Amino acid sequence: GAGVSQTPSNKVTEKGKYVELRCDPISGHTALYWYRQSLGQGPEFLIYFQGTGAADDSGLPNDRFFAVRPEGSVSTLKIQRTERGDSAVYLCASSLGHKWDEQFFGPGTRLTVL
Amino acid sequence: QQQVKQSPQSLIVQKGGIPIINCAYENTAFDYFPWYQQFPGKGPALLIAIRPDVSEKKEGRFTISFNKSAKQFSLHIMDSQPGDSATYFCAASSTSYGKLTFGQGTILTVHP
Repeated sequence: GAGVSQTPSNKVTEKGKYVELRCDPISGHTALYWYRQSLGQGPEFLIYFQGTGAADDSGLPNDRFFAVRPEGSVSTLKIQRTERGDSAVYLCASSLGHKWDEQFFGPGTRLTVL
Repeated sequence: QQQVKQSPQSLIVQKGGIPIINCAYENTAFDYFPWYQQFPGKGPALLIAIRPDVSEKKEGRFTISFNKSAKQFSLHIMDSQPGDSATYFCAASSTSYGKLTFGQGTILTVHP
């Protein structure tokens, strides 16, 4: 079956612009996670959705970052007034939602802010 | 606060060797410890995971050793192959929904 997909695969934007990154989770997975991976580092947690609600957004770095999952499937990560420090690979993962359930990661969106 | 420390940063072995990657954690609430493998341009993929009620888990050529008192765990890759060349991440979770805290990663190169 299809895995987690993310679009676009690459996004180049200018400082100050707004960007949206999309994640399509595995069908039937109620849990969805966003992580950010800077060059040479491990992924860092941003936000977790169970169904439509953001159950844990403690990893969002500031109020320029926002994510939604209006129908409990596709999720969009939104970044306002982008800064050069936002450049990273943004990873999405989905799972059945329990601690022991495998998180399946998408290939990521590489965001470059010029 | 860095909660999972991973070493070494990079590792080079010959085919057939047994690379060992180590991780240490601080948060005693962690109770789930997966290892992920990541190839360039791809997302991480789960290799093997362990819970703290066991000291060792083996799946194929991959073994996790876990030392709860020392708050350390390690990944051993038996009979390593060039196809194992990738970046490996340890991780830990303490929440009911699996929020992961990752180590910094180890770049493994296996020479033919």
